[in-house]
Amino acid sequence: QVQLEESGGGVVQPGRSLRLSCVASGFTFSYYGINWVRQAPGKGLEWVALISYDGTNESYADSVKGRFTISRDNSKNTLSLQMNSLRTEDTAVYYCAKETERWLSLPGYFDYWGQGTLVTVSS
Amino acid sequence: DIQMTQSPSSLSASVGDSVTIICRASQYISSYLNWYQQRPGKAPKLLIYTTSVLQSGVPSRFSGSGSGTDFTLTISSLRREDFATYYCQQNYRTPITFGQGTRLAIK
Repeated sequence: QVQLEESGGGVVQPGRSLRLSCVASGFTFSYYGINWVRQAPGKGLEWVALISYDGTNESYADSVKGRFTISRDNSKNTLSLQMNSLRTEDTAVYYCAKETERWLSLPGYFDYWGQGTLVTVSS
Repeated sequence: DIQMTQSPSSLSASVGDSVTIICRASQYISSYLNWYQQRPGKAPKLLIYTTSVLQSGVPSRFSGSGSGTDFTLTISSLRREDFATYYCQQNYRTPITFGQGTRLAIK
């Protein structure tokens, strides 16, 4: 069955960096775009970034552009999110979410999500 | 950016009732509108995509409609497991944006 498992969350001071990972299984990873979506405590969903199935296209929310970088390794079925210059407002549960349609380089909708990893930015 | 506004932000209903949640886009998004359900402490679950297409395994009491800027999610014959928070999401263009959520509580 399709599984997405995030890791790498934790407590980090403002201005520091953190790298999240998402390991996928149960589907052909290289066929699908993957997104990061976050949810601050008690708040709604916020899309963070998208990478196309082949890694050639990336897109970011304005709130993280220039600070976060999404990447993928299709040989290892792994997605990453490098987060630099972290701010207190980046505190959230971060989910990786799989696109539903294959081979899309456009934004889509998400049929499978991981359980999330909590990032807390605090001094 | 395309702003998505849901109404109401919260509502209460009883088991067996029908409810409708509205999602309005700040600009034209054709039919690129999707709905998710999120239970407390869980990841969101895709219910409906492209305005009205039911995701596999989702009960037929869920339905969606609309086009352009105005969309609705209707849940008929509410069951206890339907009490959750619902989000709309547009994928017309990036940045992908979600509505602020509608919390459906049991009366």
